Order: sequence, then C-alpha cells, then structure tokens
Amino acid sequence: DGGITQSPKYLFRKEGQNVTLSCEQNLNHDAMYWYRQDPGQGLRLIYYSQIVNDFQKGDIAEGYSVSREKKESFPLTVTSAQKNPTAFYLCASRGGTSHSNQPQHFGDGTRLSIL
Amino acid sequence: GDSVTQMEGPVTLSEEAFLTINCTYTATGYPSLFWYVQYPGEGLQLLLKATKADDKGSNKGFEATYRKETTSFHLEKGSVQVSDSAVYFCALRSQIYNQGGKLIFGQGTELSVKP
Repeated sequence: DGGITQSPKYLFRKEGQNVTLSCEQNLNHDAMYWYRQDPGQGLRLIYYSQIVNDFQKGDIAEGYSVSREKKESFPLTVTSAQKNPTAFYLCASRGGTSHSNQPQHFGDGTRLSIL
Repeated sequence: GDSVTQMEGPVTLSEEAFLTINCTYTATGYPSLFWYVQYPGEGLQLLLKATKADDKGSNKGFEATYRKETTSFHLEKGSVQVSDSAVYFCALRSQIYNQGGKLIFGQGTELSVKP
C-alpha cells in the first residue's frame, strides 16, 4: 500500500544533540512538508519542499534543517539551536502542482522528548 | 495573513447526539477548505474537503459546506458514535502564489463521545 512512513515513533534528545527524523513516501508525490504539533494547538509549518533539491522555510524554521536529495525522502534535523524541541512532528506529502486541489497525506508522526 | 478559527473544546456528547464543530476563516482569494481527524497517537487523516463556494464535502456521515458569505466551514454529523472520539482540525490551503500549497490549521477541537 502507498503511504508515508515516519520513524522512529518515539525519539529522545539529550542537551546539545542534533537528531534526525525520517520521512519516506511511496506515493510519487513531488511536494513534502514538515509540521510541528504542540498540545492544544494546531499544526505549524516548519519546512516544505516542492521538488527534489529544493526546499523553503515555513513559519517556524529556526533551529531546524532539512534536505531533499530524493523524491521519496525528506528528513528533518532538529538541531541544538532549537531550545524547545519537545513536540509531535508530522510529515506530509501532496501530489499535483502547488495550485491543485489535491489534499495533503500525513504520516503517523514522531514524538520527540528531551532527556 | 490567512487564518482559521475553530470552536474550543473539549466537546462532550452522548452517542447518537448531533454534532456541530464551528470553523471560520480569513483568507485572500478563494482557498480550498479541509477537515482532518486525528485519533490518539496517530497522524492526521483527511475527512472531507471543499474547493469552491457552496461545495459540500461529505464522508462517513460527516458534512461541511463552504460558505463564502460567512467565511465558514462548519463540520456536522447527525448521529455521533463512540468511535468518532478524536481531535478534529479545520484547515485552509492558501491561494497566495509561491506558498507551496501549505495548509493553515485551526487549533483543533477535541470530541469525546460517551456511550
């Protein structure tokens, strides 16, 4: 079945450490997104990529980095510069052009906590 | 900028009760509108969508109508079940050029259905 796979499901970060969250999709979608979800809040966009080797900052990009070397993969690195990284991270992808009405499809998320 | 406002939760209902979750938006142009549902510990699943004024999206007994005149997209279901207990997110897709089709979310409304 086609879908989006996020790993790991749970992740713990030590002070000063960088961690990388994996997101893989086999839907052949060009666009991919990373969102952050905090308790009682909606999702906020961290980074997005509309095509391989290109990505743009979202609304809360500080302290995060991404790469898009392959169409299927869009890993997110939470750097030590992100002072409040504890959150639920969701990856999404979308087919069609940026102006199409295709919905975004989401993975099951990674919950990141600080040790 | 574009924004989405949902009614605050939690909303607690008895099984077979009528459900309404209010959603209003502010946006430039004619955005596409979505409802997503999130079950505990999982990612978001698309529930329904509407892409132009007066469109009605429907799925699994849920409905929402795109009302341009009141900038609203309220979610309704005639008879809720315990299995509908989840968090519901209203979202819009910006029509602003070069926004990569990003979604803007409301803060979510938690629904709890009691037997």
